[in-house]
Amino acid sequence: NAGVTQTPKFQVLKTGQSMTLQCAQDMNHEYMSWYRQDPGMGLRLIHYSVGAGITDQGEVPNGYNVSRSTTEDFPLRLLSAAPSQTSVYFCASSYSTGTGIHQPQHFGDGTRLSIL
Amino acid sequence: AQSVSQHNHHVILSEAASLELGCNYSYGGTVNLFWYVQYPGQHLQLLLKYFSGDPLVKGIKGFEAEFIKSKFSFNLRKPSVQWSDTAEYFCAVNAQTGGFKTIFGAGTRLFVKA
Repeated sequence: NAGVTQTPKFQVLKTGQSMTLQCAQDMNHEYMSWYRQDPGMGLRLIHYSVGAGITDQGEVPNGYNVSRSTTEDFPLRLLSAAPSQTSVYFCASSYSTGTGIHQPQHFGDGTRLSIL
Repeated sequence: AQSVSQHNHHVILSEAASLELGCNYSYGGTVNLFWYVQYPGQHLQLLLKYFSGDPLVKGIKGFEAEFIKSKFSFNLRKPSVQWSDTAEYFCAVNAQTGGFKTIFGAGTRLFVKA
């Protein structure tokens, strides 16, 4: 099983460039999310999706766009990269039993992004 | 809004010492609670989870956590740590109603001296 796959693993961008971080899962999970991890700040939720066609903002959505056209894929787009977006980005997925129990998330290996 | 507070940012212990990492959350409704671990260079992995029932939850690798509803706490414990427990530990919370947001604490870096 591949689980949650993120590409690329590393990327360096210049300020103002655009980029899409890819995330795919093969577990048929409804719920997918993007986090950024910064030293001393833990993981902060950027955007999440509860199913194909449905997305919502997390704690730090500014500067990022997402879409969910299929259950499997949840790409994260940086439209105009800024140095403040230098971080490690994690994608995660999980399923819900539909009774309010949100199962633990499966995380990808992360994308280390540097903005110069 | 939900928030999660982990009181200790860095903890240094010797092998065989006991561990307790604090986690408090701010949300008045019913919650799902998690502890994740991140070993150096790796992604997050689930240690244990609490949904309902017995407030003392046992997880992998000898870890356990106790949910104290009156204190909004979910502290992680291990009676005797090993060098291989050196990692960063994250507490996470999501609400059973009102959305699927899972909010993480800032993390606690544990270093175990051999």
